[in-house]
Amino acid sequence: NAGVTQTPKFQVLKTGQSMTLQCAQDMNHEYMSWYRQDPGMGLRLIHYSVGAGITDQGEVPNGYNVSRSTTEDFPLRLLSAAPSQTSVYFCASSYSPRNQPQHFGDGTRLSIL
Amino acid sequence: KQEVTQIPAALSVPEGENLVLNCSFTDSAIYNLQWFRQDPGKGLTSLLLIQSSQREQTSGRLNASLDKSSGRSTLYIAASQPGDSATYLCAAYSSGGSYIPTFGRGTSLIVHP
Repeated sequence: NAGVTQTPKFQVLKTGQSMTLQCAQDMNHEYMSWYRQDPGMGLRLIHYSVGAGITDQGEVPNGYNVSRSTTEDFPLRLLSAAPSQTSVYFCASSYSPRNQPQHFGDGTRLSIL
Repeated sequence: KQEVTQIPAALSVPEGENLVLNCSFTDSAIYNLQWFRQDPGKGLTSLLLIQSSQREQTSGRLNASLDKSSGRSTLYIAASQPGDSATYLCAAYSSGGSYIPTFGRGTSLIVHP
């Protein structure tokens, strides 16, 4: 059972470039979410989805786009990368965040020069 | 706005000690509180989830309690082992229409032989 798979594991971008971070889960979870983790800041929610076709903003959504066309996949797009987006990005999924634990991927380490 | 604080920020103990990690939150209107473990370079692993109607949860050597009225949760680790070395994070999932959790910054634990 693969759980939550994130690709790539590492990425270096130049300011202004765009890219998509991939997230896939094989547990048939309806709820998926993206976080960023920065030193001294804790994890902060970027965007989340409660099912295919439904997405919503989290705490820090600016500069990021998401879509959810299937239950399995929840990609995160950086439209025009900025140095402030250098971070570790985690994808998570759950049957329901209100009463079921979240499962996390191993993260994508992103550096923007 | 919910704020989550974890004390201590770091802890170093000899093997075999019983430990208490603390998590406090400012808004008692929560669905649940979750404790996670994060190993270096890895994602988060869910340890325990306490529903708002529950007072504690146990898994092996771990016991987590929740006191909503005082805005506190504690994670008790019995007979600590070097393999318990990791960062422990708590997250409060607030009531209401959103699914936005608030994470603490974590307690970094080192258990030395």
